[in-house]
Amino acid sequence: NAGVTQTPKFQVLKTGQSMTLQCAQDMNHEYMSWYRQDPGMGLRLIHYSVGAGITDQGEVPNGYNVSRSTTEDFPLRLLSAAPSQTSVYFCASSYSIGNTIYFGEGSWLTVV
Amino acid sequence: AQSVTQLDSQVPVFEEAPVELRCNYSSSVSVYLFWYVQYPNQGLQLLLKYLSGSTLVESINGFEAEFNKSQTSFHLRKPSVHISDTAEYFCAVRSISNFGNEKLTFGTGTRLTIIP
Repeated sequence: NAGVTQTPKFQVLKTGQSMTLQCAQDMNHEYMSWYRQDPGMGLRLIHYSVGAGITDQGEVPNGYNVSRSTTEDFPLRLLSAAPSQTSVYFCASSYSIGNTIYFGEGSWLTVV
Repeated sequence: AQSVTQLDSQVPVFEEAPVELRCNYSSSVSVYLFWYVQYPNQGLQLLLKYLSGSTLVESINGFEAEFNKSQTSFHLRKPSVHISDTAEYFCAVRSISNFGNEKLTFGTGTRLTIIP
């Protein structure tokens, strides 16, 4: 049982480059989300999805895009990386509202 | 809108001493409350949760938290800490809007350091 899998674990980008953080879960969860973790600010919600084909913005969506073409995958795209997007990114999923949320192990992103 | 306040950013505690990590929340709708733990260079793991029922919830490794609706608090406690409890702890509130959308709001975290 792999749970929530994020790739890559570490990435260095140059300002202006684009990239995609991958997230996959094998638990048939409907709800998936992306958070970023910054020192002193806890975790902030970027985007979330309540099911395939449905996505919505969280607290800090600017500079990021998501799509949910399948139940299993929820990729996060950085359109034009900026140093302010240097952070640790976590993908999370849960079966439905009220159920336990499972987190991936995180992706460390540095934008130089 | 809901919010979570963890007043203590760092808590140093001697080994085998008791600890309390404070968490206060604000929300205008029904809430579910969670504590997550993050060990160094790892993701978040669920420690315990309150959904309904008994206001005192326990984890398998000796932590407990009590939901206090009147004080809007969900403090985390352990009577005797171990070196292995060194980690960052996040309190979170999960709320559901009138439109059925759910949101998980995290506090800023408390770094617990156990002193031998």
